Amino acid sequence: QSALTQPASVSGSPGQSITISCTGTSSDVGGYNYVSWHQQHPGRAPKLMIYEVSNRPSGVSNRFSGFKSGNTASLTISGLQAEDESDYYCSSFTSSTTLVFGTGTRVTVL
Amino acid sequence: QVQFVQSGAEVEKPGASVKVSCEASGYTFTSYAIHWVRQAPGQRLEWMGWINPDNGNTKYSQKFQGRVTITRDTSASTAYMELSSLTSEDTAVYYCTRGQSDYWGQGTLVTVSS
Repeated sequence: QSALTQPASVSGSPGQSITISCTGTSSDVGGYNYVSWHQQHPGRAPKLMIYEVSNRPSGVSNRFSGFKSGNTASLTISGLQAEDESDYYCSSFTSSTTLVFGTGTRVTVL
Repeated sequence: QVQFVQSGAEVEKPGASVKVSCEASGYTFTSYAIHWVRQAPGQRLEWMGWINPDNGNTKYSQKFQGRVTITRDTSASTAYMELSSLTSEDTAVYYCTRGQSDYWGQGTLVTVSS
């Protein structure tokens, strides 16, 4: 199972919006609404930000939103803040009843 | 509250095996799958496999098939991940997480070095 494809880095200024893409296939992202997004600060465990494509867990800011079209999912962070600077990973359920993670994206707040 | 507590850091020699534990609390252990995910230094998250704690059924990534074994002890609300035939490329932080990954363990650093 190949990793889902994400851009290596995305940057934006405080207050701006950025979008991170996550491209898979019809056997994972495109085939199921089980796409999640995770935030990971250096040296810390990942934190769930979005599940089932567009749902936010309790306590996650509504500045984070998720969407999917075809084989590509996306995470948008609006009103970018310094604390959003982190690594972000998508993940998806697959047709083989496995999970697959994305290649990861480093978000930089300029 | 939901919590996962993993076992401590391990240092192993090439060719050896390591077993990492993940003790769950704050919810019904058998209600959610437990996944194991690893992260080598500076690398991405990598899914290894999962177990259904209710019936013990497992599924492993093809990459680790034959080298990884995931088990559970329902009486102790604990899942285990054992990785054999270790090489330096298995040096990583190993995490457990449940279901749709809403909660994660703190991670266990496994270092493989001669």
